[in-house]
Amino acid sequence: ILNVEQSPQSLHVQEGDSTNFTCSFPSSNFYALHWYRWETAKSPEALFVMTLNGDEKKKGRISATLNTKEGYSYLYIKGSQPEDSATYLCALDNYGQNFVFGPGTRLSVLP
Amino acid sequence: ETGVTQTPRHLVMGMTNKKSLKCEQHLGHNAMYWYKQSAKKPLELMFVYSLEERVENNSVPSRFSPECPNSSHLFLHLHTLQPEDSALYLCASSQDRSGETQYFGPGTRLLVL
Repeated sequence: ILNVEQSPQSLHVQEGDSTNFTCSFPSSNFYALHWYRWETAKSPEALFVMTLNGDEKKKGRISATLNTKEGYSYLYIKGSQPEDSATYLCALDNYGQNFVFGPGTRLSVLP
Repeated sequence: ETGVTQTPRHLVMGMTNKKSLKCEQHLGHNAMYWYKQSAKKPLELMFVYSLEERVENNSVPSRFSPECPNSSHLFLHLHTLQPEDSALYLCASSQDRSGETQYFGPGTRLLVL
């Protein structure tokens, strides 16, 4: 059974703070790492799909990095805003073998 | 609006009932998925369909029965469920099975009494 871990479990930051969280995964049979943002009462929304070791992707104030050799990915949010409050999920894609989500990091941005 | 719709949004059923969840995607995707989100647990992949054929079944009890009549529609038939099956059931679709972004529906919140 593949184990995808995320830390921290939850996080409270002040508006304007920058923050980051971690997704850890087994590096064998890696194909892709997905990041999703899930706001309460909405559908999970895709942020990034990352496939190459050393990949860096950016979407507005949110960016992510990937290290497939050591099995981790970081998600960064610069200048957090209240609308960034959500649960951030990562998912490991093993090309047709498994698609396993982590438990998520719940972010609350306080105005 | 992601292009993936699910009905009903909420469902309450008894343990002897039979009900079905419906998912429809308007994105021209080839793969569709059912996920279960239980309280305080990660999203769990239940079933995967690719080009209308089931390609994965993650040891899901037989009281859950999927059906994919065409590439745009996915059903989850429910019968003799248990209270512990109460959860949020999410449908998703993607262009192909792996390495592609999955687009999620809003989910069906199921309560089994």
